[in-house]
Amino acid sequence: AQSVTQLGSHVSVSEGALVLLRCNYSSSVPPYLFWYVQYPNQGLQLLLKYTTGATLVKGINGFEAEFKKSETSFHLTKPSAHMSDAAEYFCAVSERGNQGGKLIFGQGTELSVKP
Amino acid sequence: DTGVSQNPRHKITKRGQNVTFRCDPISEHNRLYWYRQTLGQGPEFLTYFQNEAQLEKSRLLSDRFSAERPKGSFSTLEIQRTEQGDSAMYLCASSLTGVFYEQYFGPGTRLTVT
Repeated sequence: AQSVTQLGSHVSVSEGALVLLRCNYSSSVPPYLFWYVQYPNQGLQLLLKYTTGATLVKGINGFEAEFKKSETSFHLTKPSAHMSDAAEYFCAVSERGNQGGKLIFGQGTELSVKP
Repeated sequence: DTGVSQNPRHKITKRGQNVTFRCDPISEHNRLYWYRQTLGQGPEFLTYFQNEAQLEKSRLLSDRFSAERPKGSFSTLEIQRTEQGDSAMYLCASSLTGVFYEQYFGPGTRLTVT
């Protein structure tokens, strides 16, 4: 069965500092990979996704993530944090070949940005 | 494109009561998903529809839970005989067919069972 592990339930960075949110997955074959962001009292918004092709993917708001098959990882980064980046971030996978496309989420990482 | 809408946004009910939530997907999306999110956790898949057909259900979806999507448009999720453990955020998402397509999430319905 597939699973997703996000290392660190809470990450705190200073404004302007590098953001690194870690995600590792477990799957018999490389899945499709996603990062979502959730602001308080709102639904989830897709930041970026990896399905095929280039392993470094760029998303919205300056975020990017790199798929590393050998490490079964899909870590999310942003060079310089803004106060507006404070939110909950979820890594998710979808089974390749599963035509339903259901998402399996990690437990989330809350990002705090200090002024 | 008005986005995915969910009603109500909040529901407080007493244990043992039945509740029903509604989800209106983006109009051209033929897939609709329900997820449940408890405090401090990521969303968990409950079920999904392609058009009006319910194609997959999680084991999390006990007999007290039922979902419908008549005519392949809006969907309802009903919980019968609610329990305190049902307290959670219920999220709806919609997409076009195919895993390459993004799932767009609604704002959720927060259920509190007292």
